[in-house]
Amino acid sequence: GENVEQHPSTLSVQEGDSAVIKCTYSDSASNYFPWYKQELGKGPQLIIDIRSNVGEKKDQRIAVTLNKTAKHFSLHITETQPEDSAVYFCAASRPDGYALNFGKGTSLLVTP
Amino acid sequence: SAVISQKPSRDICQRGTSLTIQCQVDSQVTMMFWYRQQPGQSLTLIATANQGSEATYESGFVIDKFPISRPNLTFSTLTVSNMSPEDSSIYLCSISGSGTQYFGPGTRLLVL
Repeated sequence: GENVEQHPSTLSVQEGDSAVIKCTYSDSASNYFPWYKQELGKGPQLIIDIRSNVGEKKDQRIAVTLNKTAKHFSLHITETQPEDSAVYFCAASRPDGYALNFGKGTSLLVTP
Repeated sequence: SAVISQKPSRDICQRGTSLTIQCQVDSQVTMMFWYRQQPGQSLTLIATANQGSEATYESGFVIDKFPISRPNLTFSTLTVSNMSPEDSSIYLCSISGSGTQYFGPGTRLLVL
C-alpha cells in the first residue's frame, strides 16, 4: 500500500501544554484522513477526521489541518490532560476509497 | 455509529491449531475489513470481507492461512490457521460507513 509517515513516534508533554503530531502521505488520490486514539487493551477509536475539500477542522480541544499540496496533515491537541495519554494513529484513504493506510503511531504521554 | 463486537476478546492457543474470530455489527454494512496489529506496531489490512463472495486479500496474506467468511451484511469471521508464535497479534474487525471507518475492540491472540 501507499506509505503514511507519522512523527514523532513518542511524545511527552506536561498537562496543559499542546501536542502536535504530523503525518505525510504519498498517494495524491487520498481524500480522507482520519485520526484514531488507541488506549491500552482497546480497539482504535476515531477522534476526528478531515476530507480533502477542507483545510482545517476543530472539535473542542482537538483540531486537524490538511495541506493537500504538500501532502501532509497534523493533529493538534490543546490543553492536554492525563486522559489524553494513548497511542494516536493517522491514516489516509486508499485509491479504492474504502480501506486505509495507517501511520506507525505516536505514543503520547501527558504528565500531571 | 454502529456497534461492533468481536469474539473472543482474547485467547491463548497452541502452535499448529486454528482459531476463528467472529465480528458482529448491530446494523447492515456494506464494507467490512480485517486488520492485524502486531505487538507495538501499526495496523495492517489483511483483507476486505465481501458479502456473498470470496474475500479480497492484501499482498502477503493468503486465503489458506486466513480464510474469511461473510455470510450476510452484519457478520464476518476470520480464521487464523495452523498458527505459529508469529501470528500473535491483535486482530481487528472494521466497518466503513459513509466513508468513515470504525473498529471493533479487537481479539488479542497469543500463540505459544
